[in-house]
Amino acid sequence: EVQLEESGGGLVQPGGSLKVSCAASGFTLSGSAVHWVRQASGKGLEWVGRIRSKSKNYATEYAAAVNGRFTIFRDDSKNTAYLQMNSLRTEDTAVYYCSRWAIDGPSLDVWGKGTTVTVSS
Amino acid sequence: DIQLTQSPSFLSASVGDRVIITCRASQGISTYLAWFQQKPGKAPKLLIYDASTLQSGVPSRFSGSGSGTEFTLTISSLQPEDFATYYCQQLNNYPFTFGPGTTVDIK
Repeated sequence: EVQLEESGGGLVQPGGSLKVSCAASGFTLSGSAVHWVRQASGKGLEWVGRIRSKSKNYATEYAAAVNGRFTIFRDDSKNTAYLQMNSLRTEDTAVYYCSRWAIDGPSLDVWGKGTTVTVSS
Repeated sequence: DIQLTQSPSFLSASVGDRVIITCRASQGISTYLAWFQQKPGKAPKLLIYDASTLQSGVPSRFSGSGSGTEFTLTISSLQPEDFATYYCQQLNNYPFTFGPGTTVDIK
């Protein structure tokens, strides 16, 4: 079964750092771009950023709200992508989802269940 | 950034009803639009991509149409499992923005 699973969420103080992971199973992640999307409690979906595959030079894009603070990277040997979050703010509190860029159409077709990041003192 | 608006924000409907949700983009996005369904505590689920292509495994009562700046998601006959929040997302320009969502509730 094709799956993504996020891990590494938790409680962190404002100004702190956290790295969350996105592990793929049932398919090889290396051929796909990986996107991150977050959702604050009771709010809508917010696109965070994406990393492309090796063939596209691991190119990254970020939302303005996280640019310069968050970094997306990947380790294809581990079939895993990562979201490194630095200088965290209370407004970064959310469930963070990773998703796969679909092979056959412009869309995000596979999503993980999400991991919760809480930024609070 | 491209802004997406959805209407209505909330609707109450009954099982068997035909439901139409509209998504409007602040500038033309061709057909680079997807629709998602999300239930409480769950990840979004892809329903439609490329404005009108049904994702594999999604029931045929869901359909999408539109291009440019105006798009619709139609549920031809609402089923009990369809009560959820629906989001559109544009994939034409970064950042890949989402609409604010439409919650479909039981009447």
